[in-house]
Amino acid sequence: QSVLTQPPSASGTPGQRVTISCSGSSSNIGSNTVNWYQQLPGTAPKLLIYGHNQRPSGVPDRFSDSRSGTSASLAISGLQSEDEADYYCGAWDDSLNGPVFGGGTKLTVL
Amino acid sequence: QVQLVQPGAEVKKPGASLKVSCKASGFTFTNYNMHWVRQAPGQRLEWMGWINAGSGNTKYSQMFQGRVTITRDTSASTVYLELSSLRSEDTAVYYCAVSYIGWCDYWGQGTLVTVSS
Repeated sequence: QSVLTQPPSASGTPGQRVTISCSGSSSNIGSNTVNWYQQLPGTAPKLLIYGHNQRPSGVPDRFSDSRSGTSASLAISGLQSEDEADYYCGAWDDSLNGPVFGGGTKLTVL
Repeated sequence: QVQLVQPGAEVKKPGASLKVSCKASGFTFTNYNMHWVRQAPGQRLEWMGWINAGSGNTKYSQMFQGRVTITRDTSASTVYLELSSLRSEDTAVYYCAVSYIGWCDYWGQGTLVTVSS
């Protein structure tokens, strides 16, 4: 099963802007949109970004994403302590006919 | 609002089978695809398969082909995951999710399955 690659950790101070990368292939990120999820300890993943930089109702515009070729990035601006969580990228994979996910990035707010 | 409710936890012995439920509410169940995704301790999310809740058509990940079955009960707005021949490596949190906006948009709270003798 093809997978997406994320850095295991990221960090920033309150108010900073941080980015988290996600690398895939032509069968997933290269041809389909990316979902980004936030997962707090002991809870289910929560959708942050879907489609082309779309946010579900209630998700602040501090969260945004971008894509270039077979890679995508999640940007969090105005970092807050409550943003400390695990972040996962996911993309539909045409070979699998199902989604693949990254390994997750643990974001620490210093 | 969209809600997916799952049981909290299950304990199974190696070699046994598992059946987990996921009850949906807040949307027209038969209009959407329902997925199962699992997360072993400290591991990435792993997609297992989906079912079109209207037609009942399914697609499974090759990783689980032959061991997994996804079904639904439209009268109860409930989707089920069955996994056979359980082994210790199947210890994980099992999530259901609905493709409401795009895919895997809303998730259940997860069912912790422990496989241990």
